[in-house]
Amino acid sequence: NAGVMQNPRHLVRRRGQEARLRCSPMKGHSHVYWYRQLPEEGLKFMVYLQKENIIDESGMPKERFSAEFPKEGPSILRIQQVVRGDSAAYFCASSPLAEETQYFGPGTRLLVL
Amino acid sequence: QKEVEQNSGPLSVPEGAIASLNCTYSDRGSQSFFWYRQYSGKSPELIMFIYSNGDKEDGRFTAQLNKASQYVSLLIRDSQPSDSATYLCAVRDDKIIFGKGTRLHILP
Repeated sequence: NAGVMQNPRHLVRRRGQEARLRCSPMKGHSHVYWYRQLPEEGLKFMVYLQKENIIDESGMPKERFSAEFPKEGPSILRIQQVVRGDSAAYFCASSPLAEETQYFGPGTRLLVL
Repeated sequence: QKEVEQNSGPLSVPEGAIASLNCTYSDRGSQSFFWYRQYSGKSPELIMFIYSNGDKEDGRFTAQLNKASQYVSLLIRDSQPSDSATYLCAVRDDKIIFGKGTRLHILP
């Protein structure tokens, strides 16, 4: 049973470019969560999605960041016009139900030059 | 502002001894509590979860929850060098909030 999958594992972008991070939840999981982790920092919640719905985006920056989880395909975290401060590890987690334990993917390490 | 507090460490423990990791949380309404292990450069890996007051044991790991005092702890018995990692405490109310983690170093 495949776990949570994320790609790419590493992404390098120049300032002003767009970054698109993808997450495929575990089989049978319909709840997806995105977190950001800066070096030596804890995990910061960004957004919680179900299929075709954003449930909680209270942790998302108001500008440049968006997320979706379409009916078909992976969840996408999109960062427009990246800045150096966006450099971080972005983790996706999934759970079968809202109250269930979350399982993490391997993460995407974004580096903005 | 709901908070989860952990001592950042590093916590150094001799091999074979008991490692004790502590976590406090601010929201009395929190219902679920989790411990994750994260090796450097890797993703968090679930070790244990606990919902009720008291102890929960799984192999060398014991989670302890005291809702009245708002703390949750993780004990690791017979510590091994492979236990060296950062341990993240997470608390769920309406969403999961993570602490910044405690770095544990097991001394061979």
